[in-house]
Amino acid sequence: AQSVTQLGSHVSVSEGALVLLRCNYSSSVPPYLFWYVQYPNQGLQLLLKYTTGATLVKGINGFEAEFKKSETSFHLTKPSAHMSDAAEYFCAVSDTGFQKLVFGTGTRLLVSP
Amino acid sequence: DGGITQSPKYLFRKEGQNVTLSCEQNLNHDAMYWYRQDPGQGLRLIYYSQIVNDFQKGDIAEGYSVSREKKESFPLTVTSAQKNPTAFYLCASTKDRSNTEAFFGQGTRLTVV
Repeated sequence: AQSVTQLGSHVSVSEGALVLLRCNYSSSVPPYLFWYVQYPNQGLQLLLKYTTGATLVKGINGFEAEFKKSETSFHLTKPSAHMSDAAEYFCAVSDTGFQKLVFGTGTRLLVSP
Repeated sequence: DGGITQSPKYLFRKEGQNVTLSCEQNLNHDAMYWYRQDPGQGLRLIYYSQIVNDFQKGDIAEGYSVSREKKESFPLTVTSAQKNPTAFYLCASTKDRSNTEAFFGQGTRLTVV
């Protein structure tokens, strides 16, 4: 069975600082990996995804993530945080398309001036 | 513009009542999904449908029912058998069951009063 662990339910950074949100996964087959962002009382928006190929994936809003098979990790980073990045971020894993997507419990990113 | 529309945005239910949440998409997507979101628990799959007139239970289907009579519509009924229905409900769709890019609606917040 697949699973996702997001370390830290809350992460606080200052504006301009590096953003690092951690995600580790468990999967018995090569996984598809995703990061979604959710603003308050809104649906989820896809930030980026890894399916095959290049392990460094660039997404929207300056975010990127690196698939590291040896570490079973897919951490999300952004070099410089903006106030508008404050939201909840979900990591997810699947091996067979979207219907079997397993979500992590989410990490709320707080950005202070 | 193409997208997913959920209605209503807020819904209040008395104990013992059934309520129906609407989800409509104009993306011409085959597959649609319902998720429940609770604080600190991420998203959990309730039901999904890969084609008209067919649907499958997800991880937490008890106390819920769905129908898929039209490609564009996938309503969710929260029945009186659902003991703890207060949550944020999200509808999503993908082009087909193997596609990994999902579009989400804005959600419906259901509160039992």
